[in-house]
Amino acid sequence: RKEVEQDPGPFNVPEGATVAFNCTYSNSASQSFFWYRQDCRKEPKLLMSVYSSGNEDGRFTAQLNRASQYISLLIRDSKLSDSATYLCVCPSGGSYIPTFGRGTSLIVHP
Amino acid sequence: GAVVSQHPSWVICKSGTSVKIECRSLDFQATTMFWYRQFPKQSLMLMATSNEGSKATYEQGVEKDKFLINHASLTLSTLTVTSAHPEDSSFYICSARVREEGLTGELFFGEGSRLTVL
Repeated sequence: RKEVEQDPGPFNVPEGATVAFNCTYSNSASQSFFWYRQDCRKEPKLLMSVYSSGNEDGRFTAQLNRASQYISLLIRDSKLSDSATYLCVCPSGGSYIPTFGRGTSLIVHP
Repeated sequence: GAVVSQHPSWVICKSGTSVKIECRSLDFQATTMFWYRQFPKQSLMLMATSNEGSKATYEQGVEKDKFLINHASLTLSTLTVTSAHPEDSSFYICSARVREEGLTGELFFGEGSRLTVL
């Protein structure tokens, strides 16, 4: 099993839809998780940190499910501008090395 | 919250020159820092792990003599791309782990550096 796995998508959704991505990790003792957003031909930008208690920022909600070892990112009321690739970061391996997932592509259409 | 300052955010250099990227933890001590780069159309890949006061551990395929990593203090790690070539053009980003929290300690990322080699 890969250390960090993401469904590459693409997720193709209409404006206003709610969409969720998951990212599974294999290191059960991991503590620090993140979601990054990357627009086409741009640099990755930190979107949210993921806390044990969950984290909400406007239309975006990040959650951690320790029992099933995944983190999720929920986007409500999708906008065209949400179209991007979303990368998760989870610590992996015995040294808890922060590892980026391959990214999930989101396309929001009118 | 804790901040990791990465500098420069972007740099353009001529082929054959060396470029240094700094990653500094501003309000905490970092036992370990991680360096990543992003290849075109791929995710960010770990290049090396650096621990304060010891030699960096490089991932397979990363030339240690080309990508010099120095972690001389608990708040500063540097990545030097020596004799840079156009194929080294990439996005580089660092991450720091809080010293007091051990292996599962909280992590913070720099904002990244875009290197363009002409």
